[in-house]
Amino acid sequence: EPEVTQTPSHQVTQMGQEVILRCVPISNHLYFYWYRQILGQKVEFLVSFYNNEISEKSEIFDDQFSVERPDGSNFTLKIRSTKLEDSAMYFCASYRGSGELFFGEGSRLTVL
Amino acid sequence: AQSVTQLGSHVSVSEGALVLLRCNYSSSVPPYLFWYVQYPNQGLQLLLKYTTGATLVKGINGFEAEFKKSETSFHLTKPSAHMSDAAEYFCAVSEGGGYNKLIFGAGTRLAVHP
Repeated sequence: EPEVTQTPSHQVTQMGQEVILRCVPISNHLYFYWYRQILGQKVEFLVSFYNNEISEKSEIFDDQFSVERPDGSNFTLKIRSTKLEDSAMYFCASYRGSGELFFGEGSRLTVL
Repeated sequence: AQSVTQLGSHVSVSEGALVLLRCNYSSSVPPYLFWYVQYPNQGLQLLLKYTTGATLVKGINGFEAEFKKSETSFHLTKPSAHMSDAAEYFCAVSEGGGYNKLIFGAGTRLAVHP
């Protein structure tokens, strides 16, 4: 069964450091998303990406965040200068345009 | 704007008992509705979804949910709980239809005791 894979599964970083979370969406999918879940809270939409550009972003997705699809397979989320409140589980998801939306297993980010 | 309310952050049932997890939504357009399950330290797994057509939808692991437009509800049920059903369950609505931008509820943690 096709799956969305995310790396790393867990990353610990110091406040102020840059972090890149990586996702490999399902190969024929066209729409890509990042969501996050702060411990004990709901899953929140961050950004959607289609045709090599951001199609929508939430108010959470400020200038510290960026996404790109550098090589046609990976889909990355970069946090330029991490804050304590960025500690969360980050989920990548992809969608072909029909059928199902698939989520990855998440990358847990801990900011110290 | 779309929103989702899940009544009860924690639900506890006995093994073999009925599971009922409540979800109410608001949407200005015909909604797509979803239930996801999250096991400890794992990702989100789709249980079932409603898009159009039959209002009673069946999902994996014996779960089903009924879309009731008049009540703006999409409650999740399972006739007989199993220990392996213990997990966090999230109801979600898509904004604007389709899969673009899911709005999640706060989640309901289901405990199943012997």
